[in-house]
Amino acid sequence: NAGVTQTPKFQVLKTGQSMTLQCAQDMNHEYMSWYRQDPGMGLRLIHYSVGAGITDQGEVPNGYNVSRSTTEDFPLRLLSAAPSQTSVYFCASSYSTSGVSTDTQYFGPGTRLTVL
Amino acid sequence: GESVGLHLPTLSVQEGDNSIINCAYSNSASDYFIWYKQESGKGPQFIIDIRSNMDKRQGQRVTVLLNKTVKHLSLQIAATQPGDSAVYFCAEIGNEKLTFGTGTRLTIIP
Repeated sequence: NAGVTQTPKFQVLKTGQSMTLQCAQDMNHEYMSWYRQDPGMGLRLIHYSVGAGITDQGEVPNGYNVSRSTTEDFPLRLLSAAPSQTSVYFCASSYSTSGVSTDTQYFGPGTRLTVL
Repeated sequence: GESVGLHLPTLSVQEGDNSIINCAYSNSASDYFIWYKQESGKGPQFIIDIRSNMDKRQGQRVTVLLNKTVKHLSLQIAATQPGDSAVYFCAEIGNEKLTFGTGTRLTIIP
């Protein structure tokens, strides 16, 4: 199994540009989520999904959209990038179908995004 | 590799010694705790977990201690190796909310 994969690994955007961060998992996990990691702060939940067709907002959802058309994929879209969205983004998945997963979460390698 | 958390607390330990990393949690209703390891340029990796009905749990070379009275969690790593160099952070689940700590950078001195 490849586990959780994310693309791209690095990305530089200009303010106002849009882009999609890709996330895929091959473990047949129901629960998937997106976090951002900033210096001096813990991981913060952006959006999550408990199954195909179901998404919900996390702690910091503004400026981000998600969709879950398949079990495997959970893309994160930035519609109009802002410098405040400069961060490292991690996708995670787990077996749990509950809103807050107590099962082991498997994290992807991350996408480092810089918005100029 | 990338630097995650430029101003993290740091702990330097001689190779072969034991390491103790501490975490203070905030929610007295939290009933599940997890320790993660994050190496440079990689995503967090699960190390060990503990539920609030326990005060100690052991894994391979790692032990987690939970003190609910003072809301304190610690991770002990025995016989620290160079591969243990990473950022370690705790996470708590309470009231259906998962909260991550900021982490401690562990550096191994050869």
